[in-house]
Amino acid sequence: GAGVSQTPSNKVTEKGKYVELRCDPISGHTALYWYRQSLGQGPEFLIYFQGTGAADDSGLPNDRFFAVRPEGSVSTLKIQRTERGDSAVYLCASSLGDTNTGELFFGEGSRLTVL
Amino acid sequence: GNSVTQMEGPVTLSEEAFLTINCTYTATGYPSLFWYVQYPGEGLQLLLKATKADDKGSNKGFEATYRKETTSFHLEKGSVQVSDSAVYFCALNGGGATNKLIFGTGTLLAVQP
Repeated sequence: GAGVSQTPSNKVTEKGKYVELRCDPISGHTALYWYRQSLGQGPEFLIYFQGTGAADDSGLPNDRFFAVRPEGSVSTLKIQRTERGDSAVYLCASSLGDTNTGELFFGEGSRLTVL
Repeated sequence: GNSVTQMEGPVTLSEEAFLTINCTYTATGYPSLFWYVQYPGEGLQLLLKATKADDKGSNKGFEATYRKETTSFHLEKGSVQVSDSAVYFCALNGGGATNKLIFGTGTLLAVQP
């Protein structure tokens, strides 16, 4: 597709379970970002990839959160031992290279609900 | 650290009314400033931006001017339409080579016919 694609769009899980969220960026975009948006808040930065490597993971809240991008395209955000406080919309965005233009192209997000 | 504060919503206006959504920022250095918009059922998209003091960003009838002296980047539109109903986010980029953005909490705009 032409835009950033995220799956699943909705995920309901139980506390303690493992979850994977997938992001397929715009073709040719080498930079990929994960953000988390809690209810009534703006998006909060989690992690940034340039190519295959995580260039900045300073926003990951703790070691239960991990993200990979093994081939420099699709990325997976992995959350272990989910907690109710992890409930949020997880947004993925991509951009061309590492140019500082501020233009991120966002997906529609994956809504995670932890019961 | 860097942060963005924007006015709380919801903002409810009648069609053709004048719109202002306030945004102020705290930052070290010289950030670039942005407004993003999220229409119902869609992903966030860039509305406009300004990269240095006194720059004016504009798009789709919206404008915002980068005011360093007041650390502000207020969004304005002279005549809103029902189709402008959305959530608007002010954001800044603290510099460097990445597009790592810091967002405000968002302001819901509802325009009534």
